[in-house]
Amino acid sequence: GAVVSQHPSWVICKSGTSVKIECRSLDFQATTMFWYRQFPKQSLMLMATSNEGSKATYEQGVEKDKFLINHASLTLSTLTVTSAHPEDSSFYICSAGTGGTDTQYFGPGTRLTVL
Amino acid sequence: GNSVTQMEGPVTLSEEAFLTINCTYTATGYPSLFWYVQYPGEGLQLLLKATKADDKGSNKGFEATYRKETTSFHLEKGSVQVSDSAVYFCALSPGGGNKLTFGTGTQLKVEL
Repeated sequence: GAVVSQHPSWVICKSGTSVKIECRSLDFQATTMFWYRQFPKQSLMLMATSNEGSKATYEQGVEKDKFLINHASLTLSTLTVTSAHPEDSSFYICSAGTGGTDTQYFGPGTRLTVL
Repeated sequence: GNSVTQMEGPVTLSEEAFLTINCTYTATGYPSLFWYVQYPGEGLQLLLKATKADDKGSNKGFEATYRKETTSFHLEKGSVQVSDSAVYFCALSPGGGNKLTFGTGTQLKVEL
């Protein structure tokens, strides 16, 4: 149980285009979803927290207009990287949590490469 | 603010060796503490957790004890296997919350 999927697993795009990444909780309802960014050989950096049906809360220094997060249902959250540039190339990871617990379940991540 | 410091890697051990990965934290209140593992090409998986002082989390032969007096949560395993090769992340979440703060991760490589 507690499986989180991400799609796509990897994506290559041209500079200036937008890319959407999906995060789904497959066998549970996720009241909260988190989006992280992981640089090579570094830790995960929390980008934003989203609760179903409400606006995401972004961490300091994360551009909310560039990284659009939508959490439309209890099983789906999306991250859209708008007008992507090479510096946005990274590994993006989502996680999902259920109410009343501090455990998060992580997706396998999405490798984004912007040319 | 909250922070997690863990020993730098990579750590290279022979199979059946004893493993310790140090982790210390700074937090207000009473955080929950976690160890996550990331196998090559996979997402993070919860390895073990502890929610209050003196609790011991354990799983798959790994264990860690929540030491409030030393603000530490060191990961140990008595006999590592090649299949334990992965990156290990120490993390905390504040009491009553679920926002995780991660350490930088420690890469473990176990050789025959």
